[in-house]
Amino acid sequence: KAGVTQTPRYLIKTRGQQVTLSCSPISGHRSVSWYQQTPGQGLQFLFEYFSETQRNKGNFPGRFSGRQFSNSRSEMNVSTLELGDSALYLCASSFGAGGITGTGELFFGEGSRLTVL
Amino acid sequence: SQQGEEDPQALSIQEGENATMNCSYKTSINNLQWYRQNSGRGLVHLILIRSNEREKHSGRLRVTLDTSKKSSSLLITASRAADTASYFCATGNDYKLSFGAGTTVTVRA
Repeated sequence: KAGVTQTPRYLIKTRGQQVTLSCSPISGHRSVSWYQQTPGQGLQFLFEYFSETQRNKGNFPGRFSGRQFSNSRSEMNVSTLELGDSALYLCASSFGAGGITGTGELFFGEGSRLTVL
Repeated sequence: SQQGEEDPQALSIQEGENATMNCSYKTSINNLQWYRQNSGRGLVHLILIRSNEREKHSGRLRVTLDTSKKSSSLLITASRAADTASYFCATGNDYKLSFGAGTTVTVRA
């Protein structure tokens, strides 16, 4: 069974540009989550989608957005890039059985490393 | 702010030794999970312990949970060079995981 696939793996952008990152979850998984990892802030939750619906969103500005398609694939977009957006962006998938009171095991992709110059 | 906080931040041990790291969290939990991350790569799930469990084993891993102290520990026995990685505890609710800052473990040959 293929794992979580993220594309592109590496990308370099300049300030003010926008970027779209893609994530293909494990077959059968309907939940996709996104996390940002930086040396200073660690792992921060961005958003989670289940069956094309965003169920939760982290504390990030509106420049960060995402969506999920009917085949469970997901994309996240960052507009008007800032230097501080340089990070490893991790996508994770799960069956989505988690809820308000608990979240189960997540399966992570290798990440997309974004560098903003 | 992060839900879990690991201690120590970094750990260096000799191959064959045991490695222990601790995690403290702030709010009530349904479960607590541990993940490993090799340098610059994705996270790999190691073990999940539910709030009604006190101890769980998986291969060379042993996890304990003390909900009264809001803390957990991860023990890696008979460490190997391949165990060199960062280890994160995570608690989950509202469809998300909150991660600690992690413990970086270096296993020396």
